[in-house]
Amino acid sequence: AQSVAQPEDQVNVAEGNPLTVKCTYSVSGNPYLFWYVQYPNRGLQFLLKYITGDNLVKGSYGFEAEFNKSQTSFHLKKPSALVSDSALYFCAVRDIGVSGTYKYIFGTGTRLKVLA
Amino acid sequence: SQTIHQWPATLVQPVGSPLSLECTVEGTSNPNLYWYRQAAGRGLQLLFYSVGIGQISSEVPQNLSASRPQDRQFILSSKKLLLSDSGFYLCALLVAMGVYNEQFFGPGTRLTVL
Repeated sequence: AQSVAQPEDQVNVAEGNPLTVKCTYSVSGNPYLFWYVQYPNRGLQFLLKYITGDNLVKGSYGFEAEFNKSQTSFHLKKPSALVSDSALYFCAVRDIGVSGTYKYIFGTGTRLKVLA
Repeated sequence: SQTIHQWPATLVQPVGSPLSLECTVEGTSNPNLYWYRQAAGRGLQLLFYSVGIGQISSEVPQNLSASRPQDRQFILSSKKLLLSDSGFYLCALLVAMGVYNEQFFGPGTRLTVL
């Protein structure tokens, strides 16, 4: 079965500094990977995805993610963090259910705190 | 574009009471729909998904059930709530984006079982 792991419960970074939120994956076949962000008491919002092609994927709000096949990683990055980036971030991988339909498997989440 | 509605937004229920959470979608037909639970503000657990009316796949054995009575309606239910059912319940929709697809989430329902 497909799975993702987010090794950090929380990441703290100063405003203006680069940020990285880590994600590693375990899949059979080609990985379809995603990042989502969740603000307090809200649903998840899609940030970006990797399906195929360039290893550096650009997404919403200035975020990007780097797919690294040899390290089985898909880390989320941003060159300059904003206080408003503070939120809960989820990495996800697409899997296929017993009925043949797609389902998404999420990591445990990483809380990003950007300090002013 | 697609819109996901969840009702109610918040709910406080006593242990042993029944539950019915509703998810309705607009702007799409024959969607794949999903129920997730998020406990204590952390990881998401996939509970159920549905590819069509009356078709439900359960991911985790538990105190909850799901139904898909209409194409754009997905309901999460329980006959008797447990304390451990407390959490943030999210409905999601799978959207085809060309040859790929993406999952979009509703605003969620916060359930507190006392």
